[in-house]
Amino acid sequence: DAKTTQPNSMESNEEEPVHLPCNHSTISGTDYIHWYRQLPSQGPEYVIHGLTSNVNNRMASLAIAEDRKSSTLILHRATLRDAAVYYCILRDVGGSGGSNYKLTFGKGTLLTVNP
Amino acid sequence: DTGVSQNPRHKITKRGQNVTFRCDPISEHNRLYWYRQTLGQGPEFLTYFQNEAQLEKSRLLSDRFSAERPKGSFSTLEIQRTEQGDSAMYLCASKSQGADNEQFFGPGTRLTVL
Repeated sequence: DAKTTQPNSMESNEEEPVHLPCNHSTISGTDYIHWYRQLPSQGPEYVIHGLTSNVNNRMASLAIAEDRKSSTLILHRATLRDAAVYYCILRDVGGSGGSNYKLTFGKGTLLTVNP
Repeated sequence: DTGVSQNPRHKITKRGQNVTFRCDPISEHNRLYWYRQTLGQGPEFLTYFQNEAQLEKSRLLSDRFSAERPKGSFSTLEIQRTEQGDSAMYLCASKSQGADNEQFFGPGTRLTVL
């Protein structure tokens, strides 16, 4: 799977929006962009994913650049419970990626939310 | 609770002992994954099952590690002759059929090898 680059850490204030960036300049046409997060002492949990168009769900929004070389996870109003490590992952669902759908995690971005 | 469960949640063992972890996936999920996570790192893929068949093993999975999913339901991960370097969080995830369905992770088993 193609590699992603994320800042090591970010800080936000409670009830403010948070924009978490991810660069994936080597993304291929069959790579989906997935975001997972991991709260302290828990397993990762799915947040959102997309291919080309921006996506919204109850947890977050995903904004994908037109050239798909970068994306941004948007938390509209951060809460203390959003403090976690956020992982941006490219998942090839076609071509040479195979059908195992394993996830390749980087180090992610540690988000700190201040009260 | 119908999520992925893992047992035990914590395991402390002495170097050289064998340990076994269990994962119970979401019942209708046919795909099951094991990952390992060390401090400060993201999870690393270990192995993958589709039903009872083990279809991929990472090179991280040395011959001291073995995983099974005998009836395509729960899975076990055994580590023989544990080493201090095996200390990590072992995570299990399951997924239903489909290209871009999410993986659901369990809470993990934290192994400490003394």
